[in-house]
Amino acid sequence: DTEVTQTPKHLVMGMTNKKSLKCEQHMGHRAMYWYKQKAKKPPELMFVYSYEKLSINESVPSRFSPECPNSSLLNLHLHALQPEDSALYLCASSQDGTSGWGDTQYFGPGTRLTVL
Amino acid sequence: AQSVSQHNHHVILSEAASLELGCNYSYGGTVNLFWYVQYPGQHLQLLLKYFSGDPLVKGIKGFEAEFIKSKFSFNLRKPSVQWSDTAEYFCAVNGSGNTGKLIFGQGTTLQVKP
Repeated sequence: DTEVTQTPKHLVMGMTNKKSLKCEQHMGHRAMYWYKQKAKKPPELMFVYSYEKLSINESVPSRFSPECPNSSLLNLHLHALQPEDSALYLCASSQDGTSGWGDTQYFGPGTRLTVL
Repeated sequence: AQSVSQHNHHVILSEAASLELGCNYSYGGTVNLFWYVQYPGQHLQLLLKYFSGDPLVKGIKGFEAEFIKSKFSFNLRKPSVQWSDTAEYFCAVNGSGNTGKLIFGQGTTLQVKP
């Protein structure tokens, strides 16, 4: 089973709202990722968690705040977003949390976010 | 820095035609190579991957890819496409010095006409 689940599927929020995206995997993977994907574009890496610790932050604005409560869960807290933040937000996980080398990332279905 | 180039941005084929999508990468070290597919309205799915060994890799749904190290290429092929292959295809690379970071190409939109 290579399933990564994400909730909600769709989210509409105003620029002053606070919301959270959730991601879950039960494959025993130790690395989890957040990506942002605009239409017809490749995913752009935002954050990587390795063994529940933030290992990569791709200079993402502080209005995006990741959290990894345990090895199966990954959250992305959103606050004061801009309309240009509207996109598909993808979560992924992979088995090896140490180096990522020789590892395969499995993606969830994404959350379609619209910021008004 | 690593980069991935997909030369075909938009490909239109008729059913039963053969497919080859180009992917070239720039990285001097050892690489892991991937092809992902994104069907309309669906999530990214792994088609196939190359880590080591036989450079001809077979994936799901009849796809295969060949790693040619001397050409820094990892082209995707399918002998006979179907309408259901209509999707966005992404090549991705993870270099040995690039912890946890997949570098994606810009993607190729494949449209198969019935």
